[in-house]
Amino acid sequence: DTAVSQTPKYLVTQMGNDKSIKCEQNLGHDTMYWYKQDSKKFLKIMFSYNNKELIINETVPNRFSPKSPDKAHLNLHINSLELGDSAVYFCASSPSSGAGKETQYFGPGTRLLVL
Amino acid sequence: GNSVTQMEGPVTLSEEAFLTINCTYTATGYPSLFWYVQYPGEGLQLLLKATKADDKGSNKGFEATYRKETTSFHLEKGSVQVSDSAVYFCALSPQGGSEKLVFGKGTKLTVNP
Repeated sequence: DTAVSQTPKYLVTQMGNDKSIKCEQNLGHDTMYWYKQDSKKFLKIMFSYNNKELIINETVPNRFSPKSPDKAHLNLHINSLELGDSAVYFCASSPSSGAGKETQYFGPGTRLLVL
Repeated sequence: GNSVTQMEGPVTLSEEAFLTINCTYTATGYPSLFWYVQYPGEGLQLLLKATKADDKGSNKGFEATYRKETTSFHLEKGSVQVSDSAVYFCALSPQGGSEKLVFGKGTKLTVNP
């Protein structure tokens, strides 16, 4: 069973479109994250949710809107896609308390290409 | 603020060579330290971690020791294999955990037969 899963794995779309990426974790964790990896492989946090509540929002354009319907899911919706949004987006999760709360587990990534 | 600096690549080695990838960090208190690995076309996998000073993390022949005095967490492997070719990321989680990971820029390792 995959611990952190993302769909789709690949996403190719036109500028101006709206798209969503889904993330699910079956680890029982309370905290979930979205990271962006740019073309130079640099990874940076975008959002973090704890028990469906937003706790980190790192100066991300408001075209990006995360949604957490429950603590096992954190989806990312992107409006009016731009060329610069092309990247790999990683979802991650971690427990919010107890031993191991510092460790994040990553999904396989979604490779987004905006044409 | 918190930051991670790791040696710039790419690094190219022959099979069975010794590997060191340097990583130093800046953080307040006692962060947890990690090495993640990204194989070509794949996601991030946790390779090893250390949560307090002088801890040694190890996995798959890789090791790294949390050195508070030098704020370092260098990754080492005694004998690399072709299958170790990947991008390696050093990262920290601030003291207390459950916050964003701060990543280094990654080091691409290529191991030739």
